[in-house]
Amino acid sequence: QQQVKQSPQSLIVQKGGISIINCAYENTAFDYFPWYQQFPGKGPALLIAIRPDVSEKKEGRFTISFNKSAKQFSLHIMDSQPGDSATYFCAAIPAGSSYKLIFGSGTRLLVRP
Amino acid sequence: DTAVSQTPKYLVTQMGNDKSIKCEQNLGHDTMYWYKQDSKKFLKIMFSYNNKELIINETVPNRFSPKSPDKAHLNLHINSLELGDSAVYFCASSRRGAPYEQYFGPGTRLTVT
Repeated sequence: QQQVKQSPQSLIVQKGGISIINCAYENTAFDYFPWYQQFPGKGPALLIAIRPDVSEKKEGRFTISFNKSAKQFSLHIMDSQPGDSATYFCAAIPAGSSYKLIFGSGTRLLVRP
Repeated sequence: DTAVSQTPKYLVTQMGNDKSIKCEQNLGHDTMYWYKQDSKKFLKIMFSYNNKELIINETVPNRFSPKSPDKAHLNLHINSLELGDSAVYFCASSRRGAPYEQYFGPGTRLTVT
């Protein structure tokens, strides 16, 4: 069964600090690795995505790092702000099943002022 | 100018009843999805339609039946509701060539008593 394992389950960071969320996958055949952000009472929204042939992608304060050999990818939030407090989901799209998003279990991030 | 809308936002019903959730997207996307988010925030895909054709049908009880009258609409009908069906149901859509970029609706919180 294709799985994406996410850690930590919850994370508390001081304002201005770096938030790091990690994910690992067990199947080598994935096409894309997106990250979604979900605020309470809202639907998830795409934050940033990376393809497996790219090792790093940065958009503003958000960076995805991808390690293909270790089958791991992570989200770094630089200069974390209280407004970043949300649940973050990593996800992956299996190769050959391009419409199916498999989500990690989510990380609840709290950024203290 | 809502991109993906769902109705109703809240649904409280008794066991054994039949209910429907409606979803509409005005993004011109070809693919629509239904996800279930349980009390632990875990997101799992249920169904996906591409151009009104069912392309993903995960292991979901037969009591759940999606219907896509056109590309912009994907409804979810649930028969004989059970306590375990209580969850938040999200509709989502994506454009051709970008399945990793899914746009989620605000969710429908279903409570079965």
